[in-house]
Amino acid sequence: SQKIEQNSEALNIQEGKTATLTCNYTNYSPAYLQWYRQDPGRGPVFLLLIRENEKEKRKERLKVTFDTTLKQSLFHITASQPADSATYLCAPTDSWGKLQFGAGTQVVVTP
Amino acid sequence: DGGITQSPKYLFRKEGQNVTLSCEQNLNHDAMYWYRQDPGQGLRLIYYSQIVNDFQKGDIAEGYSVSREKKESFPLTVTSAQKNPTAFYLCASSIGATHKGNEQFFGPGTRLTVL
Repeated sequence: SQKIEQNSEALNIQEGKTATLTCNYTNYSPAYLQWYRQDPGRGPVFLLLIRENEKEKRKERLKVTFDTTLKQSLFHITASQPADSATYLCAPTDSWGKLQFGAGTQVVVTP
Repeated sequence: DGGITQSPKYLFRKEGQNVTLSCEQNLNHDAMYWYRQDPGQGLRLIYYSQIVNDFQKGDIAEGYSVSREKKESFPLTVTSAQKNPTAFYLCASSIGATHKGNEQFFGPGTRLTVL
Protein backbone atom coordinates (compact mmCIF):
# COMPACT_ATOMS: atom_id res chain seq x y z
CA SER A 1 0.00 0.00 0.00
CA GLN A 2 1.04 3.61 -0.53
CA LYS A 3 2.72 5.07 2.50
CA ILE A 4 4.11 8.46 3.50
CA GLU A 5 6.54 8.87 6.37
CA GLN A 6 7.50 12.07 8.13
CA ASN A 7 9.52 12.26 11.31
CA SER A 8 7.01 12.18 14.16
CA GLU A 9 9.47 13.66 16.63
CA ALA A 10 9.43 17.43 16.95
CA LEU A 11 12.41 19.25 15.50
CA ASN A 12 13.80 21.75 18.00
CA ILE A 13 16.08 24.32 16.43
CA GLN A 14 17.73 27.55 17.40
CA GLU A 15 16.78 30.77 15.67
CA GLY A 16 18.97 31.47 12.66
CA LYS A 17 19.78 27.81 11.96
CA THR A 18 18.49 25.72 9.07
CA ALA A 19 15.70 23.25 9.73
CA THR A 20 15.59 20.18 7.48
CA LEU A 21 12.51 17.96 7.32
CA THR A 22 12.24 14.61 5.56
CA CYS A 23 9.34 13.07 3.67
CA ASN A 24 9.67 9.48 2.44
CA TYR A 25 7.07 7.68 0.36
CA THR A 26 6.76 4.07 -0.74
CA ASN A 27 4.94 2.00 -3.35
CA TYR A 28 4.14 4.73 -5.82
CA SER A 29 5.59 7.49 -7.96
CA PRO A 30 3.94 10.86 -7.42
CA ALA A 31 3.88 13.33 -10.26
CA TYR A 32 3.78 16.23 -7.79
CA LEU A 33 4.65 16.78 -4.17
CA GLN A 34 3.32 19.67 -2.11
CA TRP A 35 4.32 21.04 1.28
CA TYR A 36 1.91 22.73 3.67
CA ARG A 37 2.22 24.52 6.98
CA GLN A 38 -0.33 23.94 9.73
CA ASP A 39 -0.67 25.95 12.92
CA PRO A 40 -2.50 24.46 15.94
CA GLY A 41 -6.27 24.36 15.48
CA ARG A 42 -6.14 25.78 11.97
CA GLY A 43 -6.28 24.53 8.40
CA PRO A 44 -3.08 23.85 6.45
CA VAL A 45 -1.63 26.56 4.22
CA PHE A 46 0.10 25.75 0.94
CA LEU A 47 3.81 26.56 0.75
CA LEU A 48 5.48 24.92 -2.23
CA LEU A 49 4.91 22.45 -5.04
CA ILE A 50 7.62 20.47 -6.81
CA ARG A 51 7.16 18.33 -9.91
CA GLU A 52 8.72 14.92 -10.51
CA ASN A 53 11.03 16.34 -13.17
CA GLU A 54 12.31 19.09 -10.85
CA LYS A 55 15.19 18.51 -8.48
CA GLU A 56 14.82 21.64 -6.39
CA LYS A 57 12.41 24.52 -5.77
CA ARG A 58 12.93 27.67 -3.74
CA LYS A 59 10.66 30.32 -2.27
CA GLU A 60 12.21 32.99 -0.07
CA ARG A 61 13.78 31.10 2.88
CA LEU A 62 12.23 27.77 1.87
CA LYS A 63 13.80 25.09 -0.29
CA VAL A 64 12.38 21.77 -1.37
CA THR A 65 14.18 18.91 -3.09
CA PHE A 66 12.63 15.89 -4.76
CA ASP A 67 14.60 12.70 -5.32
CA THR A 68 12.44 10.22 -7.22
CA THR A 69 15.15 7.54 -7.02
CA LEU A 70 15.31 7.69 -3.23
CA LYS A 71 11.55 8.38 -3.07
CA GLN A 72 12.22 11.28 -0.80
CA SER A 73 11.62 15.01 -0.48
CA LEU A 74 13.56 17.31 1.82
CA PHE A 75 12.15 20.60 3.08
CA HIS A 76 14.56 23.25 4.34
CA ILE A 77 13.85 26.43 6.28
CA THR A 78 16.96 28.62 6.25
CA ALA A 79 17.62 31.39 8.79
CA SER A 80 14.75 30.02 10.87
CA GLN A 81 12.66 32.35 13.01
CA PRO A 82 10.32 31.70 15.97
CA ALA A 83 7.42 32.54 13.61
CA ASP A 84 8.36 29.44 11.58
CA SER A 85 7.25 27.24 14.49
CA ALA A 86 4.43 25.06 13.16
CA THR A 87 3.74 21.58 11.80
CA TYR A 88 4.81 20.96 8.22
CA LEU A 89 2.90 18.47 6.09
CA CYS A 90 4.19 16.64 3.06
CA ALA A 91 1.58 15.77 0.41
CA PRO A 92 2.51 13.75 -2.66
CA THR A 93 -0.15 13.03 -5.25
CA ASP A 94 -1.13 9.37 -5.32
CA SER A 95 -1.60 7.12 -8.32
CA TRP A 96 -5.04 8.61 -8.95
CA GLY A 97 -3.86 12.19 -8.68
CA LYS A 98 -5.26 12.84 -5.22
CA LEU A 99 -3.15 14.36 -2.48
CA GLN A 100 -2.04 12.01 0.28
CA PHE A 101 -0.93 13.82 3.43
CA GLY A 102 1.78 12.75 5.82
CA ALA A 103 1.21 13.15 9.56
CA GLY A 104 3.57 16.12 9.61
CA THR A 105 6.64 17.15 11.54
CA GLN A 106 6.45 19.81 14.23
CA VAL A 107 9.16 22.47 14.14
CA VAL A 108 9.94 24.53 17.23
CA VAL A 109 12.28 27.49 16.75
CA THR A 110 13.65 28.99 19.94
CA PRO A 111 15.15 32.49 20.20
CA ASP B 1 -12.45 39.03 0.54
CA GLY B 2 -12.00 35.61 -1.06
CA GLY B 3 -11.72 32.48 0.97
CA ILE B 4 -13.19 29.29 2.29
CA THR B 5 -15.33 29.21 5.41
CA GLN B 6 -16.50 26.43 7.66
CA SER B 7 -19.10 26.52 10.35
CA PRO B 8 -19.46 25.95 13.16
CA LYS B 9 -15.94 26.01 14.61
CA TYR B 10 -16.92 23.66 17.43
CA LEU B 11 -19.76 21.15 17.34
CA PHE B 12 -21.05 18.77 19.95
CA ARG B 13 -23.26 15.85 19.09
CA LYS B 14 -24.95 13.12 21.01
CA GLU B 15 -24.42 9.55 19.91
CA GLY B 16 -26.94 8.44 17.33
CA GLN B 17 -27.51 11.91 15.87
CA ASN B 18 -26.69 13.04 12.38
CA VAL B 19 -24.91 16.38 12.04
CA THR B 20 -24.08 18.55 9.02
CA LEU B 21 -20.89 20.58 8.68
CA SER B 22 -20.96 23.60 6.41
CA CYS B 23 -18.31 24.54 3.84
CA GLU B 24 -18.55 27.56 1.56
CA GLN B 25 -16.02 29.07 -0.85
CA ASN B 26 -16.08 32.23 -2.95
CA LEU B 27 -12.88 31.46 -4.84
CA ASN B 28 -14.78 30.16 -7.87
CA HIS B 29 -12.98 26.84 -7.50
CA ASP B 30 -14.33 23.78 -9.28
CA ALA B 31 -12.98 21.15 -6.88
CA MET B 32 -13.83 20.74 -3.20
CA TYR B 33 -12.71 18.22 -0.58
CA TRP B 34 -13.46 17.01 2.92
CA TYR B 35 -10.74 15.65 5.17
CA ARG B 36 -10.65 14.27 8.64
CA GLN B 37 -7.63 14.82 10.92
CA ASP B 38 -6.96 12.79 14.05
CA PRO B 39 -4.08 13.43 16.48
CA GLY B 40 -0.78 12.10 15.17
CA GLN B 41 -2.26 11.19 11.80
CA GLY B 42 -2.24 12.77 8.41
CA LEU B 43 -5.32 14.23 6.78
CA ARG B 44 -7.55 11.50 5.41
CA LEU B 45 -9.83 12.16 2.45
CA ILE B 46 -13.53 11.56 3.07
CA TYR B 47 -15.19 12.82 -0.13
CA TYR B 48 -14.28 15.07 -3.01
CA SER B 49 -16.09 16.79 -5.83
CA GLN B 50 -14.56 18.01 -9.05
CA ILE B 51 -17.70 19.57 -10.45
CA VAL B 52 -21.20 20.56 -9.41
CA ASN B 53 -23.63 17.64 -8.98
CA ASP B 54 -20.81 15.11 -8.94
CA PHE B 55 -18.72 13.71 -6.09
CA GLN B 56 -16.59 10.65 -5.32
CA LYS B 57 -15.76 8.69 -2.22
CA GLY B 58 -12.36 9.18 -0.69
CA ASP B 59 -10.45 6.75 1.49
CA ILE B 60 -12.80 6.81 4.50
CA ALA B 61 -16.31 7.62 3.18
CA GLU B 62 -18.23 5.13 5.31
CA GLY B 63 -20.63 6.88 7.68
CA TYR B 64 -20.46 10.18 5.80
CA SER B 65 -22.50 11.78 3.01
CA VAL B 66 -22.12 14.93 0.91
CA SER B 67 -23.92 16.98 -1.70
CA ARG B 68 -22.71 19.47 -4.30
CA GLU B 69 -25.75 21.33 -5.55
CA LYS B 70 -23.92 24.63 -5.89
CA LYS B 71 -20.36 25.36 -6.95
CA GLU B 72 -19.62 27.31 -3.78
CA SER B 73 -21.05 24.86 -1.25
CA PHE B 74 -20.06 21.34 -0.21
CA PRO B 75 -21.76 20.30 3.06
CA LEU B 76 -20.73 17.14 4.87
CA THR B 77 -23.15 15.07 6.94
CA VAL B 78 -21.73 12.85 9.64
CA THR B 79 -24.28 10.10 10.15
CA SER B 80 -24.91 7.88 13.12
CA ALA B 81 -23.27 5.07 11.13
CA GLN B 82 -19.85 6.68 11.61
CA LYS B 83 -18.34 4.68 14.45
CA ASN B 84 -15.81 7.21 15.74
CA PRO B 85 -16.81 10.68 14.53
CA THR B 86 -14.90 12.78 17.06
CA ALA B 87 -12.21 14.54 15.00
CA PHE B 88 -11.10 17.78 13.35
CA TYR B 89 -12.81 18.19 9.97
CA LEU B 90 -11.22 20.24 7.22
CA CYS B 91 -12.76 21.43 3.99
CA ALA B 92 -10.59 22.47 1.06
CA SER B 93 -10.96 23.68 -2.50
CA SER B 94 -8.74 23.90 -5.56
CA ILE B 95 -9.10 25.64 -8.89
CA GLY B 96 -8.97 22.28 -10.63
CA ALA B 97 -8.15 18.67 -9.95
CA THR B 98 -5.03 17.98 -7.91
CA HIS B 99 -3.68 15.54 -10.48
CA LYS B 100 -2.70 18.63 -12.38
CA GLY B 101 -0.70 19.87 -9.41
CA ASN B 102 -3.20 22.44 -8.17
CA GLU B 103 -2.75 23.58 -4.59
CA GLN B 104 -5.54 23.25 -2.09
CA PHE B 105 -6.96 26.08 0.00
CA PHE B 106 -8.22 25.02 3.40
CA GLY B 107 -10.92 26.35 5.65
CA PRO B 108 -10.38 26.90 9.39
CA GLY B 109 -11.85 23.53 10.32
CA THR B 110 -14.69 22.24 12.50
CA ARG B 111 -13.92 20.30 15.66
CA LEU B 112 -16.65 17.71 16.21
CA THR B 113 -17.03 16.03 19.58
CA VAL B 114 -19.47 13.22 20.20
CA LEU B 115 -20.70 13.12 23.78
